[in-house]
Amino acid sequence: SQQGEEDPQALSIQEGENATMNCSYKTSINNLQWYRQNSGRGLVHLILIRSNEREKHSGRLRVTLDTSKKSSSLLITASRAADTASYFCATDRGGSYIPTFGRGTSLIVHP
Amino acid sequence: DAGVTQSPTHLIKTRGQQVTLRCSPKSGHDTVSWYQQALGQGPQFIFQYYEEEERQRGNFPDRFSGHQFPNYSSELNVNALLLGDSALYLCASSKYSYGYTFGSGTRLTVV
Repeated sequence: SQQGEEDPQALSIQEGENATMNCSYKTSINNLQWYRQNSGRGLVHLILIRSNEREKHSGRLRVTLDTSKKSSSLLITASRAADTASYFCATDRGGSYIPTFGRGTSLIVHP
Repeated sequence: DAGVTQSPTHLIKTRGQQVTLRCSPKSGHDTVSWYQQALGQGPQFIFQYYEEEERQRGNFPDRFSGHQFPNYSSELNVNALLLGDSALYLCASSKYSYGYTFGSGTRLTVV
């Protein structure tokens, strides 16, 4: 079953613009992670944010977490054509620590 | 330092057949998790192996089974293949429950 749901399902922007993707989840979590997947291949880990953290940065990526709203957002600044990919959020909860994925957001960045 | 290695890359099988997929974890990792990703969907957790035992299992039928060897590598077996088993199968390794690293996947097509 899906724990997280990304929004929008698809996003199309021009190179240089910012891209924002959102993730909502249903139950309390330990951690939330964002992954990228190019053309249906392997998942690349982007960033992990713990439930007691509110914001994290990594290069052009900024992730926020609002546990009161059970939601997270991923911001990619100054996007590039190479950022074209599917982006997934994954949460783990309780004693499991096994990432549970949403359906993803498909991002297309036009050069 | 090699990451997670999966084999084969692509596979075509006939309905009713059996298939075995293989995964070598990242150096230093002792836990292997398997995911199924249907086209356009997020990865779904199948099961996780640690210390050669199945530690957790997702909502998959008994046709899906696995094994972990003393060197931490793992196999995923699927019996009596159905058309609906066509998917990308992803292996992830971790050190116990931390630092999930995904392989590039095996694309299984059932005809």
